[in-house]
Amino acid sequence: QQQVKQSPQSLIVQKGGISIINCAYENTAFDYFPWYQQFPGKGPALLIAIRPDVSEKKEGRFTISFNKSAKQFSLHIMDSQPGDSATYFCAASTTSGTYKYIFGTGTRLKVLA
Amino acid sequence: EAQVTQNPRYLITVTGKKLTVTCSQNMNHEYMSWYRQDPGLGLRQIYYSMNVEVTDKGDVPEGYKVSRKEKRNFPLILESPSPNQTSLYFCASRRTGNYGYTFGSGTRLTVV
Repeated sequence: QQQVKQSPQSLIVQKGGISIINCAYENTAFDYFPWYQQFPGKGPALLIAIRPDVSEKKEGRFTISFNKSAKQFSLHIMDSQPGDSATYFCAASTTSGTYKYIFGTGTRLKVLA
Repeated sequence: EAQVTQNPRYLITVTGKKLTVTCSQNMNHEYMSWYRQDPGLGLRQIYYSMNVEVTDKGDVPEGYKVSRKEKRNFPLILESPSPNQTSLYFCASRRTGNYGYTFGSGTRLTVV
């Protein structure tokens, strides 16, 4: 019940295309859903996050879509660029009660020039 | 510059030899966590701390110890390292009420 399932494991997209990464969770106590971006040799960096009271959040070319009833959320990268090539992690956290902060297994994205 | 600093970046050690990985943050964050990153398994939480002298186990605490005697420091201790603790370790911190973590650059540990 504590898992966050992330797919796909790897993704190759042409420059200018849309990259879509999906995550699913089971614990309904989770109420904060961030995405992190990690470049080789670096630590993950917070990219964008959403709370369950909204269904979508957009920041530049990055959008989170959130489906509370399905317990799923996804990251959409519009107009994907080679500089977006990185590993992306979704996560789910509680913000009250028993503290949990669980990461997905990661998606390695490669954007072809 | 606001940052989380881990040392060392790389470490090769032998089975059973105690080691400490240091972590320090300069942002006055209350929360600090240790994660290990393994291929196909993502980031798994080892221990976390909500403030000075307050620590709790994450999902994979076996074989690790932590302490939080000062707000800025959160060292990870491996009393008797084993080869299955070979991994990439990350320290992270965040402020109470802000749920995004700031991560360090990682420590790649190899236990032979």
